[in-house]
Amino acid sequence: ETGVTQTPRHLVMGMTNKKSLKCEQHLGHNAMYWYKQSAKKPLELMFVYSLEERVENNSVPSRFSPECPNSSHLFLHLHTLQPEDSALYLCASSQVRGTYPNSPLHFGNGTRLTVT
Amino acid sequence: DAKTTQPTSMDCAEGRAANLPCNHSTISGNEYVYWYRQIHSQGPQYIIHGLKNNETNEMASLIITEDRKSSTLILPHATLRDTAVYYCIAGAAYSGGGADGLTFGKGTHLIIQP
Repeated sequence: ETGVTQTPRHLVMGMTNKKSLKCEQHLGHNAMYWYKQSAKKPLELMFVYSLEERVENNSVPSRFSPECPNSSHLFLHLHTLQPEDSALYLCASSQVRGTYPNSPLHFGNGTRLTVT
Repeated sequence: DAKTTQPTSMDCAEGRAANLPCNHSTISGNEYVYWYRQIHSQGPQYIIHGLKNNETNEMASLIITEDRKSSTLILPHATLRDTAVYYCIAGAAYSGGGADGLTFGKGTHLIIQP
């Protein structure tokens, strides 16, 4: 139990499908993150939400659309993906404390996405 | 985040101490050194972090040089379950109320040999 739960664990979708990845954190944190991990590549930061506002969008294609309805939940909506989008998508959370040191990131175990 | 340099892979015998080095010569004064590890098919797991002083917790010890240009993660009694990719990251300690994602590199693949 990591305190950050991601569903589903595995997802196979066609290029014309629309699906959503869900992340829920039970740690009382107020910042949430989406990372992408492709085979043999380092983790890539996709989106950052702090206090439910998006604060970072690292040039991610519009076919990925994040949503953060509250500080405990984070979604990644997917549509018209490409096969090269197949990867492990990881959610993380942390506590942001203004001028105090931020807490470390806590990760979920990811959703393994395969686009066919 | 400052750039970090780690060996691609390391071996360690089970029961021995595993010492994982990391160079971060361009680290700035407001950046912590974080260590995470990732076991196959799982999300990265936080291990430890520090700013200037050496740190120890139930998982590991972190030794940071006085000039902060390098650090060593020590797993005191490595077990087979410690086989993983270990990431050393220099990341902002203070974000002025915002949130900063950490930049992960390729890490060190630590293999514990029976």
